[in-house]
Amino acid sequence: EAQVTQNPRYLITVTGKKLTVTCSQNMNHEYMSWYRQDPGLGLRQIYYSMNVEVTDKGDVPEGYKVSRKEKRNFPLILESPSPNQTSLYFCASQGALGNEQFFGPGTRLTVL
Amino acid sequence: GQNIDQPTEMTATEGAIVQINCTYQTSGFNGLFWYQQHAGEAPTFLSYNVLDGLEEKGRFSSFLSRSKGYSYLLLKELQMKDSASYLCAPNSGYSTLTFGKGTMLLVSP
Repeated sequence: EAQVTQNPRYLITVTGKKLTVTCSQNMNHEYMSWYRQDPGLGLRQIYYSMNVEVTDKGDVPEGYKVSRKEKRNFPLILESPSPNQTSLYFCASQGALGNEQFFGPGTRLTVL
Repeated sequence: GQNIDQPTEMTATEGAIVQINCTYQTSGFNGLFWYQQHAGEAPTFLSYNVLDGLEEKGRFSSFLSRSKGYSYLLLKELQMKDSASYLCAPNSGYSTLTFGKGTMLLVSP
């Protein structure tokens, strides 16, 4: 089954404790993205990647890192999480820029 | 950069027709996506318009006017399950998608 998976689905952590949210797709897609979604602000792009070893900042990259060492994986790293990063995070992939994006199920992160 | 504008909220009754508008300004344009998102869930694809005009897909239709930077999503025969947020996303053609803030549609009995 074609899908995008994210782990964990829910995470409660404390300020400053490094964490990684994994994202994997099995559709051999070149393009992958991370978004955060907050009430009243909609989906905002954090980082995106157009291919292996090619990443670029989206609209709200501060406090986040990503890597794209293999085509299928695009982890999101929070080196020192802060409470303002409490949000719902979505990973997405697409095969080409004109194609639809497929979204993962989301990761609800709470930073205390 | 991109500027995307859609109404924040709309309400309608079951069985009715509703039109959700989206205006956009982008530095490049290759088409426009509409997604549906139920609360707490991932967005799911509804439609993609590349050319001007109306595309119909069952109860949902989407319209695009490239010269006006305008699109709308038309939902007919509304059902309770259509209560969701509807996201407009113009495709710039050089990056992955940027989404509008979404229009929350509430369908009442």
